[in-house]
Amino acid sequence: GENVEQHPSTLSVQEGDSAVIKCTYSDSASNYFPWYKQELGKRPQLIIDIRSNVGEKKDQRIAVTLNKTAKHFSLHITETQPEDSAVYFCAASRAGSQGNLIFGKGTKLSVKP
Amino acid sequence: KAGVTQTPRYLIKTRGQQVTLSCSPISGHRSVSWYQQTPGQGLQFLFEYFSETQRNKGNFPGRFSGRQFSNSRSEMNVSTLELGDSALYLCASSLNENRLNTGELFFGEGSRLTVL
Repeated sequence: GENVEQHPSTLSVQEGDSAVIKCTYSDSASNYFPWYKQELGKRPQLIIDIRSNVGEKKDQRIAVTLNKTAKHFSLHITETQPEDSAVYFCAASRAGSQGNLIFGKGTKLSVKP
Repeated sequence: KAGVTQTPRYLIKTRGQQVTLSCSPISGHRSVSWYQQTPGQGLQFLFEYFSETQRNKGNFPGRFSGRQFSNSRSEMNVSTLELGDSALYLCASSLNENRLNTGELFFGEGSRLTVL
């Protein structure tokens, strides 16, 4: 089955710096790659997603890149702010199994003011 | 529009007991998935239901079961509770009108189960 590895497990940056979180997946049939943000004590919320027919997607300060050949995808956050502090999860799923997300173990991002 | 609602929010059980958790999806959403969240293992997929049918199942023992009703509400049950079942159980709903990916999962706030 699918396995998603996520690195790093913790990341500390200064406000205004960029943050990059990387994930790899094992199942070449996976074609949907969302990123979820979970603030302390709150529910996970989708922040951006990408499908396998796209190499890059951007939404304001957040971007995701996908390398299907290498089975890598990454989250890039620019101009980080203290409110970006949270745990970020990458995930992967196959077509027709959107509810069946295989998550990475998460990255705890701390943005220091 | 109301979000995903899970009940109960907190519960304490003892080993050997059973527990039933409930999830009401966003109105109009027919897909409901369940996840177990623990500090060590992160978010792990339990099962997914669509139109009252279990569509996918994760690698959990048979003690974990679920069902979905005609109004899309879902329940999950854990029998013969073990200490390791202590976790936050998250339910998520999505629009997913067909078998094609349609996007976002909307999570509930979860049911925090403690097994003593």
